[in-house]
Amino acid sequence: ETGVTQTPRHLVMGMTNKKSLKCEQHLGHNAMYWYKQSAKKPLELMFVYSLEERVENNSVPSRFSPECPNSSHLFLHLHTLQPEDSALYLCASSQDPGTDLNTEAFFGQGTRLTVV
Amino acid sequence: GEDVEQSLFLSVREGDSSVINCTYTDSSSTYLYWYKQEPGAGLQLLTYIFSNMDMKQDQRLTVLLNKKDKHLSLRIADTQTGDSAIYFCAQGGGYALNFGKGTSLLVTP
Repeated sequence: ETGVTQTPRHLVMGMTNKKSLKCEQHLGHNAMYWYKQSAKKPLELMFVYSLEERVENNSVPSRFSPECPNSSHLFLHLHTLQPEDSALYLCASSQDPGTDLNTEAFFGQGTRLTVV
Repeated sequence: GEDVEQSLFLSVREGDSSVINCTYTDSSSTYLYWYKQEPGAGLQLLTYIFSNMDMKQDQRLTVLLNKKDKHLSLRIADTQTGDSAIYFCAQGGGYALNFGKGTSLLVTP
């Protein structure tokens, strides 16, 4: 399998549930990202990991907890979410931008999350 | 205010050229990108341009960059129905990419 794979594709969860989103990349990249895509809003960068260390955390509520056990896998742990957290969650990977600063990010198909 | 702005909707006839426009605010952006998102799918990187270039051509795609006006455009020649999708402009330099809200392109037969 190639590219960036996200599971599950669809998830419905109650506000008291705990669930996890999984992302796996087979591109040999060393940076991975979580983005949130809500209707009528620009994509929001949530977290960035490079070489398995978190390098960006854009004021995301603590009910979202990322985990990057290795350079190929990224998780987003969810607990006590709110209905407004319903969105498409996109994972992406790239080579570390380094001094070139080129972020050629490749995206997965996303997980459509609905919080009820 | 929004860092990257795009018009929300564009409709063209099959075979015509499409031009999708984008303005951005961060003059220090090193690279500018165009992504395509089809229904139910993630974002697909189409092309990008380095900030010291003013044009880049890749098959049916032409990117024009006016750095002075902070204006970026994507021209799709001979637009096909399969080009119908949402197109996102993004500016970046480093880990963070700032995206526009996307332009929905509808190609009619």
